[in-house]
Amino acid sequence: AQSVTQLGSHVSVSEGALVLLRCNYSSSVPPYLFWYVQYPNQGLQLLLKYTTGATLVKGINGFEAEFKKSETSFHLTKPSAHMSDAAEYFCAVRGGGGGNKLTFGTGTQLKVEL
Amino acid sequence: DTGVSQNPRHKITKRGQNVTFRCDPISEHNRLYWYRQTLGQGPEFLTYFQNEAQLEKSRLLSDRFSAERPKGSFSTLEIQRTEQGDSAMYLCASSLGGGGTDTQYFGPGTRLTVL
Repeated sequence: AQSVTQLGSHVSVSEGALVLLRCNYSSSVPPYLFWYVQYPNQGLQLLLKYTTGATLVKGINGFEAEFKKSETSFHLTKPSAHMSDAAEYFCAVRGGGGGNKLTFGTGTQLKVEL
Repeated sequence: DTGVSQNPRHKITKRGQNVTFRCDPISEHNRLYWYRQTLGQGPEFLTYFQNEAQLEKSRLLSDRFSAERPKGSFSTLEIQRTEQGDSAMYLCASSLGGGGTDTQYFGPGTRLTVL
């Protein structure tokens, strides 16, 4: 069975600081990996995805993530946080024996302070 | 492309009542998914359709839950005899299946409160 672990249910950064949200997955075969963002009372918006090819993936709003197979990780980063980045972020895995459904982590709430 | 839409956005019901939610996917998408999200948790998979065929159901989907996609377009999720534990956000997603890059796009969700 696949699983996703997001370390840190709450992360707080200062505006302009580096954002690092951690995601580790378990899968018997290389999966497809996703990061979604959720604003209050809204659905999920796709930030970026890794399927095959280049392991450094760039997404919207200046976010990027790097797939590291040896570490089974897919951490999300952004060089400089903005107030508008405050939201909940979910890492998800698809495939790798789990079929087409997405398996999500429990989420990380990002707070951005002045 | 108007995105995935869900109706209603909010539903308050009394325990024991039946409720039905609707999801309209992105028009050319052949796959449609339902997820449930409770407070402080990530979404959990419930079921998915490819066209009108329901291909997978989670163990979370008890006998009180039923989903349909009769013409391969919109879908409905019905919960019979609601319980307080059914209170959650119900999310619908759609995708254009058929390859590894299958990406799911989510609707705004229906928030269910069972009193």
